[in-house]
Amino acid sequence: EVQLVESGGGLVQPGRSLRLSCAASGFTFDDYAMHWVRQAPGKGLEWVSGINWNSGSMAYADSVKGRFTISRDSATNSLYLQMNSLRPEDTAFYYCARDQGYSISWPDYWGQGTLVTVSS
Amino acid sequence: DIQMTQSPSSLSASVGDRVTITCRASQGISNYLAWYQQKPGKVPKLLIYAASTLKSGAPSRFSGSGSGTDFTLTISSLQPEDVATYYCQKYNSAPITFGQGTRLEIK
Repeated sequence: EVQLVESGGGLVQPGRSLRLSCAASGFTFDDYAMHWVRQAPGKGLEWVSGINWNSGSMAYADSVKGRFTISRDSATNSLYLQMNSLRPEDTAFYYCARDQGYSISWPDYWGQGTLVTVSS
Repeated sequence: DIQMTQSPSSLSASVGDRVTITCRASQGISNYLAWYQQKPGKVPKLLIYAASTLKSGAPSRFSGSGSGTDFTLTISSLQPEDVATYYCQKYNSAPITFGQGTRLEIK
């Protein structure tokens, strides 16, 4: 069974940094691209970032480009999102999601999410 | 960047009704389109990919069609458990983009 468990969310002041983690299990992590998708409370889905199977390709939404960095570690089956220069509009539930294949396309399994609140 | 626009933003229908949700891309995306269902308080679930391929295990009353810029998600006979928000998503190239969502309620 595919399992994705996010951690690292919390309350952070504007301008500060936070690192999200996602522990993956139940599938061969190295065979799949991965994503971060966020959802502000009561709002729609916003794709944040994706990374292909071997970290050879990463992509970002314009809203986070230059501030967020996605990475993965095959030794620990983990996905990360380093978030710098956080803004109040970054407040959202952040979901880790597995892609259907090697390259960045559509997510087919989602974690339960971790809440990031950016506020002073 | 390509924008995805869904219509309507919300709709109310009766059990047994045929329901159609539309998604329009600002540029052609071939069939690189997925549909997701998000029930209240739950995580999104993939329903359809490649515009018309139903994910294994998804109810057969759901179907998708379209190519290029215009796509539809159809529920052939609405059931109470279909109350949810539905999102389209294009994935032909980064950045991946979701539509703004269509909230479906039972009348």
